[in-house]
Amino acid sequence: AQSVTQPDIHITVSEGASLELRCNYSYGATPYLFWYVQSPGQGLQLLLKYFSGDTLVQGIKGFEAEFKRSQSSFNLRKPSVHWSDAAEYFCAVGADSGGGADGLTFGKGTHLIIQP
Amino acid sequence: GAGVSQSPSNKVTEKGKDVELRCDPISGHTALYWYRQSLGQGLEFLIYFQGNSAPDKSGLPSDRFSAERTGGSVSTLTIQRTQQEDSAVYLCASSFARAPQYFGPGTRLLVL
Repeated sequence: AQSVTQPDIHITVSEGASLELRCNYSYGATPYLFWYVQSPGQGLQLLLKYFSGDTLVQGIKGFEAEFKRSQSSFNLRKPSVHWSDAAEYFCAVGADSGGGADGLTFGKGTHLIIQP
Repeated sequence: GAGVSQSPSNKVTEKGKDVELRCDPISGHTALYWYRQSLGQGLEFLIYFQGNSAPDKSGLPSDRFSAERTGGSVSTLTIQRTQQEDSAVYLCASSFARAPQYFGPGTRLLVL
């Protein structure tokens, strides 16, 4: 069965500092990988996705992620965080670029706190 | 354009009552998904529609849960005889072809 692990439940980062959120997946076939962000009381917004090709993908709001097949990882990074980046971040895996008939499998999420 | 909308945004009900949650997908999106988000379980996939058809309903938590989609558009998730463990945020998402899913704001359900 597929699964996604986000090892860090909470991360605190100072404004302006760099950020890396970890994501490890377990999937039997070619994974389609996603990062979503959720602000309080809101739905999920897609930050970026990896389907194939270049293993470093760029997303919105200055985020990027690197797919490493050998490590089964898809870590999210940002060079300099802003206070508005405080939110819950979810990594997800799916069977195709739309998620597939089994939907997306999500990690438990990482809560990002930004210190002034 | 308009995104995925869900109604109601909040619902408080008494244990044993039935509730209906509605999802309006983005116009033209053929695929529709329901998820449940709870503190204990995180985000769980419930059901997928391609057009009006749901090929696999095994993700629904119990036989008290049902879902339908009509006209390839609006979907309704119905929970009968609600229990306190049904309290969660129910999220709907839609997509077109094999594009990524767009999520609605969710319905927050509280069963007293």
